[in-house]
Amino acid sequence: SQQGEEDPQALSIQEGENATMNCSYKTSINNLQWYRQNSGRGLVHLILIRSNEREKHSGRLRVTLDTSKKSSSLLITASRAADTASYFCATDAANAGKSTFGDGTTLTVKP
Amino acid sequence: DAGITQSPRYKITETGRQVTLMCHQTWSHSYMFWYRQDLGHGLRLIYYSAAADITDKGEVPDGYVVSRSKTENFPLTLESATRSQTSVYFCASRASLGAGFAYEQYFGPGTRLTVT
Repeated sequence: SQQGEEDPQALSIQEGENATMNCSYKTSINNLQWYRQNSGRGLVHLILIRSNEREKHSGRLRVTLDTSKKSSSLLITASRAADTASYFCATDAANAGKSTFGDGTTLTVKP
Repeated sequence: DAGITQSPRYKITETGRQVTLMCHQTWSHSYMFWYRQDLGHGLRLIYYSAAADITDKGEVPDGYVVSRSKTENFPLTLESATRSQTSVYFCASRASLGAGFAYEQYFGPGTRLTVT
């Protein structure tokens, strides 16, 4: 079974609105990553947050991590039609070379 | 070309045939991974490799074989393809983990495999 579970499964918003998606996981992690996948393409890394960090920013992206609740959120501010994609969280256990991916949130941004 | 490439990009094969999907990366990354992604779902890890000649099973290894004789190549073989192996297959690579550091995975464009 997947370590990470994203919520919601699908999200539809208007351009300019903010989009928030959540990821929950079950076991202790070393860090958590968010990836984006455009339709029919490979995944692209967005941001990594370590277990000792609570918040991280990258451009219009804001990621939070709450290790006590085993959850993370990805906020995309001032969304654009080009943000339409699926977003996946991936968790890395300590000293593990592999990541475990969730099933993703499909974001649709309407122009 | 620098990066990670997969071949073929599209493949149609028949049940029972052997199929090999190729993955090549030019960064000399230590780690390489094979995932499958079924329609509307996330990625499931098939096999991964920490270095040449070191491979390990992932979540769904049955029916697949991997090898890694060179750092840059990580082929995935379906020994006897079944319809349930129809999927999109992604290869990825990652630098080795340093003390306290972890690095993102870089993904190839995917191979869309259909087993009839």
